Amino acid sequence: DVKVTQSSRYLVKRTGEKVFLECVQDMDHENMFWYRQDPGLGLRLIYFSYDVKMKEKGDIPEGYSVSREKKERFSLILESASTNQTSMYLCASSTDRSYTEAFFGQGTRLTVV
Amino acid sequence: GQQVMQIPQYQHVQEGEDFTTYCNSSTTLSNIQWYKQRPGGHPVFLIQLVKSGEVKKQKRLTFQFGEAKKNSSLHITATQTTDVGTYFCAGPVYAGGTSYGKLTFGQGTILTVHP
Repeated sequence: DVKVTQSSRYLVKRTGEKVFLECVQDMDHENMFWYRQDPGLGLRLIYFSYDVKMKEKGDIPEGYSVSREKKERFSLILESASTNQTSMYLCASSTDRSYTEAFFGQGTRLTVV
Repeated sequence: GQQVMQIPQYQHVQEGEDFTTYCNSSTTLSNIQWYKQRPGGHPVFLIQLVKSGEVKKQKRLTFQFGEAKKNSSLHITATQTTDVGTYFCAGPVYAGGTSYGKLTFGQGTILTVHP
């Protein structure tokens, strides 16, 4: 089974802190994604990566950056956390085949106070 | 950009009643996927539809893809408490001929089943 693991289930950070969310997948998937989930808004794509060191902005990249130094690991960085970044963050991965489904991590619920 | 709209946002049913959620895309889709997220859990892939007019069944769940490949539905017959959760549809986003696995998700339908 594909396993996507996020480093934390719950995080509480202070406004202005630099926050790192880590994600690791064990199935050699080419594509990795960071989504943000908020009530009534579904899943919104923040950033994605289709190869090591390659990254593309999603729909809501402002205030975030990412890093993919190794194929299995994709990090989301909040440069200066703000209260409006309080949310559920979901990492996902997929192969580069056509019509490929996404495999999600368990999610990180981030609260910025 | 591509938008995927999903209705209703909430659905409360009595156990044994049927449930349907609808998904509409602003653009024609090459395929559509459905995911289920249990309370406190993460989205899990249920199924993918590719062909125009395609209908697939998984036990009490019936998935349909519209003829124009712009809409889809998920119907659950005789709901059970195990069906509780949020159901999402998702369509691929293409740029330059490839999607890189990018998906646009609908807002989701939260299903509550009262025993």
